[in-house]
Amino acid sequence: SQQGEEDPQALSIQEGENATMNCSYKTSINNLQWYRQNSGRGLVHLILIRSNEREKHSGRLRVTLDTSKKSSSLLITASRAADTASYFCATDFTGGGNKLTFGTGTQLKVEL
Amino acid sequence: DVKVTQSSRYLVKRTGEKVFLECVQDMDHENMFWYRQDPGLGLRLIYFSYDVKMKEKGDIPEGYSVSREKKERFSLILESASTNQTSMYLCASSPNSVSYEQYFGPGTRLTVT
Repeated sequence: SQQGEEDPQALSIQEGENATMNCSYKTSINNLQWYRQNSGRGLVHLILIRSNEREKHSGRLRVTLDTSKKSSSLLITASRAADTASYFCATDFTGGGNKLTFGTGTQLKVEL
Repeated sequence: DVKVTQSSRYLVKRTGEKVFLECVQDMDHENMFWYRQDPGLGLRLIYFSYDVKMKEKGDIPEGYSVSREKKERFSLILESASTNQTSMYLCASSPNSVSYEQYFGPGTRLTVT
């Protein structure tokens, strides 16, 4: 399977702390995306990083990509209770057409 | 504002019934996708479509079929529902460009009894 894997599967932190999630994948990619899913809802796109980029920022989000290690990380700084959600990485792997392969997700809980 | 809607949030069907899940997008996107989501397995692609009347199998097409008669509508059909098809079903759409994001509907939680 081309599916990526997130690590850790679950993460619990206090409000104000930083949260880091990792994603590993198996094949060459065109881009990698991160999505958030609030409980029982659809996914919302957070950020896209292309294979020729190493780091990208969007508000409190920072994504890095290491294509030599086939891995990415998502950092959420100064977390809030509203960040409690599941986070998924998705890869657009080379030759895969216009479709994404999703990982199994990291469940983040931010406690007050 | 971008919008993907799904016909039902919750659905309960009996084993053997034919089930239709509908998805509509208002963004004039070429690509549409159906996923199922199960605990510990993430999202798995069932079918996708690049254009009207066009479909391609995803990773787990068995037991499902799809229909795309109009650009904005993509239907998932369970010909004879089984209990192992109890799941959350998510529809998504995206434009046909090099770097794109997928826009998701709210999901349909289907229970087959």
